[in-house]
Amino acid sequence: GQQVMQIPQYQHVQEGEDFTTYCNSSTTLSNIQWYKQRPGGHPVFLIQLVKSGEVKKQKRLTFQFGEAKKNSSLHITATQTTDVGTYFCAGKRMDSNYQLIWGAGTKLIIKP
Amino acid sequence: KAGVTQTPRYLIKTRGQQVTLSCSPISGHRSVSWYQQTPGQGLQFLFEYFSETQRNKGNFPGRFSGRQFSNSRSEMNVSTLELGDSALYLCASSTQDGTDTQYFGPGTRLTVL
Repeated sequence: GQQVMQIPQYQHVQEGEDFTTYCNSSTTLSNIQWYKQRPGGHPVFLIQLVKSGEVKKQKRLTFQFGEAKKNSSLHITATQTTDVGTYFCAGKRMDSNYQLIWGAGTKLIIKP
Repeated sequence: KAGVTQTPRYLIKTRGQQVTLSCSPISGHRSVSWYQQTPGQGLQFLFEYFSETQRNKGNFPGRFSGRQFSNSRSEMNVSTLELGDSALYLCASSTQDGTDTQYFGPGTRLTVL
């Protein structure tokens, strides 16, 4: 069935190190969205990518959408404690049936 | 604008009981989606409503049902509760459909004993 694979499931980093999470879809997507869920909180929308090869930046966060519109990545430069949480991607199928296809999430953990 | 609200925030039930959860979307939003979140399982899509009609349904048993009212408020019901139904139930609203930006509520934490 339709799915979006997101890796890794967890990533432990020292504060100041970089973090990357990847999403790969089995089918072409019309767009992809990224969300962040802080511990004990609810998912919050970060950004949406629509165009093939699109790259968007939000301060230390860089989002990419692949040329084939089947994969995407989120890269955080120089992580801070405020970055802790789980990052989800969610894709919209080309033949949208009003449902986003969600990745399983990547949990960012800052080592003490 | 007020955000998405969900009531109750916490609920404890026993096996076999039923439960109804409520969600009030952001004013002007017509689409409401429901998700189940359990530790390590990500977000599992339950269903999406628009203009009082269920447009899409995830892979959950018939014990899970929902409805939407004319003011876009939505409820979901789980009958004959099982231990495995313990989860965080999240409601999200969006302007037109379930693939638009999702604005999530704080969730209802359901514990089944």
